[in-house]
Amino acid sequence: GENVEQHPSTLSVQEGDSAVIKCTYSDSASNYFPWYKQELGKGPQLIIDIRSNVGEKKDQRIAVTLNKTAKHFSLHITETQPEDSAVYFCAADEETSGSRLTFGEGTQLTVNP
Amino acid sequence: NAGVMQNPRHLVRRRGQEARLRCSPMKGHSHVYWYRQLPEEGLKFMVYLQKENIIDESGMPKERFSAEFPKEGPSILRIQQVVRGDSAAYFCASSPPVGEQYFGPGTRLTVT
Repeated sequence: GENVEQHPSTLSVQEGDSAVIKCTYSDSASNYFPWYKQELGKGPQLIIDIRSNVGEKKDQRIAVTLNKTAKHFSLHITETQPEDSAVYFCAADEETSGSRLTFGEGTQLTVNP
Repeated sequence: NAGVMQNPRHLVRRRGQEARLRCSPMKGHSHVYWYRQLPEEGLKFMVYLQKENIIDESGMPKERFSAEFPKEGPSILRIQQVVRGDSAAYFCASSPPVGEQYFGPGTRLTVT
């Protein structure tokens, strides 16, 4: 089955700096890679995703890159703000009907004002 | 358009009791997934259901756990004879046949 590893487990940055979170996956059949943000006491919220037919996707301050050859993908947050503080999870999926997400262990991001 | 709804949000059970967790998917979504999150850990897949069908339960513990998604009403995750190790956050997600999964707010189960 799929195995997703995520690094770092904790990340502390100053407001305005960039934050990068990296994930690797094992199953070459995976072709869908979402990122979720989870605030304390809440459910995961989908913030961006990428499919294997593209190498990069950007949405305002958030971008995701994918290297299918190396089986890794990364989340980039620029101009971080205190409200970006949360736990971020990467996941991988074959995206066939009903396929299930395999999650990384999460990164606790703290943005210091 | 309401999102995925779960209830109760918090549930306290004594060891040996039963826990029932409910999930109503987003409107138009026919697929429901249950995930479990232990403290300080990521989410682990438990089961995937469509209406009246369990499609994949490979992540469910072999005993005490069951799930259903009836023709009418919410999906139910049932845990019989709960033990302290069942204490966790249980999240439901829903999706169309192929597409993004959207998560509910979760049910936090505490077993005393």
